[in-house]
Amino acid sequence: ETGVTQTPRHLVMGMTNKKSLKCEQHLGHNAMYWYKQSAKKPLELMFVYSLEERVENNSVPSRFSPECPNSSHLFLHLHTLQPEDSALYLCASSQDAAKVKAFFGQGTRLTVV
Amino acid sequence: GQQVMQIPQYQHVQEGEDFTTYCNSSTTLSNIQWYKQRPGGHPVFLIQLVKSGEVKKQKRLTFQFGEAKKNSSLHITATQTTDVGTYFCAEGGGSNYKLTFGKGTLLTVNP
Repeated sequence: ETGVTQTPRHLVMGMTNKKSLKCEQHLGHNAMYWYKQSAKKPLELMFVYSLEERVENNSVPSRFSPECPNSSHLFLHLHTLQPEDSALYLCASSQDAAKVKAFFGQGTRLTVV
Repeated sequence: GQQVMQIPQYQHVQEGEDFTTYCNSSTTLSNIQWYKQRPGGHPVFLIQLVKSGEVKKQKRLTFQFGEAKKNSSLHITATQTTDVGTYFCAEGGGSNYKLTFGKGTLLTVNP
């Protein structure tokens, strides 16, 4: 148990669906991250939030929309995804963006059909 | 952006053999972190190295940061089946909010 909880653990969605991934951290951290992990690719940073403000948007397509309502919660809203978006989506948190010791959630395995 | 190259991509060993994975960068790294991801699991932080030439040990694991801060290594002595997983190096933090990962080394251990 890392203190970072992601739901759902598995998600299958059609290309026309809208869904959201949720991440919650109980560590009192100020920074939260979304990473994408595909087969045979390194962990790709998607978004970084520090104190609820987005500080990094790593050229992610607009069909991925993050939301950080407070320092404990992070969402990733998904719409009109493509099959190549199928991957493991990992949420992480750290004490702050300057001291990145990342604690990861267990991830959401997303399949787009 | 900052790139960290990791080798080898895969390593298969017999239980009891040693294992080493290497992380290299063309530019100076502010720090290097190591993570382990078990099959079907998520990355778990192992250690962070900050100083030039730093060496840290955790039981059978030895972590080194190069003198020029452009490379790092993770060495496992006498591997066990519990060491199976993918080992990632990563660089980041400081004024750069990013934590950039290498591609990882997948270690399999034959009992």
